[in-house]
Amino acid sequence: AQSVTQPDIHITVSEGASLELRCNYSYGATPYLFWYVQSPGQGLQLLLKYFSGDTLVQGIKGFEAEFKRSQSSFNLRKPSVHWSDAAEYFCAVVLMNRDDKIIFGKGTRLHILP
Amino acid sequence: SAVISQKPSRDICQRGTSLTIQCQVDSQVTMMFWYRQQPGQSLTLIATANQGSEATYESGFVIDKFPISRPNLTFSTLTVSNLSPEDSSIYLCSALDGGANYGYTFGSGTRLTVV
Repeated sequence: AQSVTQPDIHITVSEGASLELRCNYSYGATPYLFWYVQSPGQGLQLLLKYFSGDTLVQGIKGFEAEFKRSQSSFNLRKPSVHWSDAAEYFCAVVLMNRDDKIIFGKGTRLHILP
Repeated sequence: SAVISQKPSRDICQRGTSLTIQCQVDSQVTMMFWYRQQPGQSLTLIATANQGSEATYESGFVIDKFPISRPNLTFSTLTVSNLSPEDSSIYLCSALDGGANYGYTFGSGTRLTVV
């Protein structure tokens, strides 16, 4: 079945440490790929997106993501996390032949240790 | 990208009543969407709202429970009717910018508590 998988429900890292959040998708074609962040009580903010071209995408707040077609992955990374990065992170895909519906993964909650 | 103003940000409602949530977009958008996000969960699409046509509902969501209006290209409302405690959730609207800056913008959400 077509899906977006974020295998880690919770991740805890120390402030200043590096971060990688995993995302895999299972679709026949390469979808449009997104990462969103949701702070408590807030809506979703777009971190970055990938449509085509350079497979390493830079986003806001120092985040980047790398698209790997062979692994059907779009992992989010940050070299050094800040306490303010504690939030819920959602990977999402859009299938352009499916009425532009955006499909979300279940999310990864990031906890930061001081 | 578009900016969405969503109101109310939160509400506490009695069982059996209804709540109407409004989303105002600062630019014209063709497609708007409504989502439900239950505590600690991901977003579930309720319906797609296109101007000039009936909303398209996802499986498990019906118009009688979640009537949607889309009177123009910048505004939409979602009503959650005949409220029960199971409707306690966060509701979010979203707008699709299908142009050169393709992407989705989200409102800040409405936290509904039914008592």
